[in-house]
Amino acid sequence: GAVVSQHPSRVICKSGTSVKIECRSLDFQATTMFWYRQFPKKSLMLMATSNEGSKATYEQGVEKDKFLINHASLTLSTLTVTSAHPEDSSFYICSARDGVAEYNEQFFGPGTRLTVL
Amino acid sequence: AQSVTQLGSHVSVSEGALVLLRCNYSSSVPPYLFWYVQYPNQGLQLLLKYTTGATLVKGINGFEAEFKKSETSFHLTKPSAHMSDAAEYFCAVSGGSARQLTFGSGTQLTVLP
Repeated sequence: GAVVSQHPSRVICKSGTSVKIECRSLDFQATTMFWYRQFPKKSLMLMATSNEGSKATYEQGVEKDKFLINHASLTLSTLTVTSAHPEDSSFYICSARDGVAEYNEQFFGPGTRLTVL
Repeated sequence: AQSVTQLGSHVSVSEGALVLLRCNYSSSVPPYLFWYVQYPNQGLQLLLKYTTGATLVKGINGFEAEFKKSETSFHLTKPSAHMSDAAEYFCAVSGGSARQLTFGSGTQLTVLP
């Protein structure tokens, strides 16, 4: 099956700093990538959808200036949490899909645990 | 618009017993339905999916689910639970222009020895 990696798996940072999380599709070209946020014991909340070479589409209530998404190539998308604060602490998961065919499933990365002190 | 409701945030079964995790959905378009499993501090793994065709879908690890349009349900079952099945399970429906996934709130499955 298709593999999606995320880096780093864990990051601890000080309040006010920025953190970048990478999402890579290792063996396929991901025309669409999705970024999710998951709070403890909660479901996944879609933050944004990004298509290669175009601006990300953010879900309602997600600050686009706070969560910068770049999908510069068909195998890499990055999420940058700018000026992180403790309330940004969460588990961030990306997923990737090849093509736009309706049946194409999303393949999920292993997630990144962000802790902001 | 689409939504998913998972009844029961926690389900406990004995090892060897039937597993039944409930999922109901709403969708304004013909739905694509999915069940995912998540182990602690890991991403999601696809168990099975329904797109079109046969309404009884078989997945990995002995799980299966049946799409019932009249009941707008997609319940997940496994005849005999194993200790390794203990995890969080998410039902999801796919829709929208980008075929985004909308997830249910999840069900934590505990398997008792």
